[in-house]
Amino acid sequence: AQSVTQLDSHVSVSEGTPVLLRCNYSSSYSPSLFWYVQHPNKGLQLLLKYTSAATLVKGINGFEAEFKKSETSFHLTKPSAHMSDAAEYFCVGLTGFQKLVFGTGTRLLVSP
Amino acid sequence: NAGVTQTPKFRILKIGQSMTLQCTQDMNHNYMYWYRQDPGMGLKLIYYSVGAGITDKGEVPNGYNVSRSTTEDFPLRLELAAPSQTSVYFCASSYGLAGPNLGANVLTFGAGSRLTVL
Repeated sequence: AQSVTQLDSHVSVSEGTPVLLRCNYSSSYSPSLFWYVQHPNKGLQLLLKYTSAATLVKGINGFEAEFKKSETSFHLTKPSAHMSDAAEYFCVGLTGFQKLVFGTGTRLLVSP
Repeated sequence: NAGVTQTPKFRILKIGQSMTLQCTQDMNHNYMYWYRQDPGMGLKLIYYSVGAGITDKGEVPNGYNVSRSTTEDFPLRLELAAPSQTSVYFCASSYGLAGPNLGANVLTFGAGSRLTVL
C-alpha cells in the first residue's frame, strides 16, 4: 500500500532563509506525488505535482521539489522564505483510482 | 469563476441533530470528493463521486451520506450528529482519472466548513 510520511509537524525559519519540508513515500511502483498548501481558513491549493517527466519539479511562488527514487523522497524547498509562505503544507500521493493519500501536514512558521 | 463553493462556513450542532453540507462546482468536473480534516491527521476521504448518479465510500464513510443528482452538486448529509464528527470538512473536485495526464487529477478545494457537535 502506498503511504506518505511528512517528517516534521512544524518547521520554523526566518524570513529570507531557505525552506525545507520533508516528505517520504512508500510505494511498490512509480508514484504520483503532489504538494498542496493551506493558508489559514482556506482550502488547499496545489503547489506542484510530480509527473515522472522530470525529477525536479517547479511550482508556484518559487517552490520546487525533487523526486529521489533511491531515497523514496519528495522534499519541498524554497531558496528564500517570505512571510506569506507561513501556512500548512501537505504531501499527497496517488495510489490508484482516485485514491489520494495525504500526509499529516507540516506547519511552516516564518519569523521576521 | 467561483470554483468550488461550500456552505455553510461554520455550524454548531447538538448531538443527534441532522444537517447537510452543500457543495457546488462550476468547472464541469466529473469527480467530486468530501474530506474531513482533523488536527494532526491530514485529510481523510469520506465519499467520492465519479459522475452524476454514482457515489462510492472512501476511508471514513460511517455516519455520512451523499448524493450526486447533478454534475455541479455533491451534498454531504450527517444524519445523527456525534461529537466525533466535529471537524473541518472540505469538498473538492477534479476533471478526470489518474494517468499520463496528471493535470486531470489535480484537485480544486472549497474553503471548508467547520462543524462542531456539542
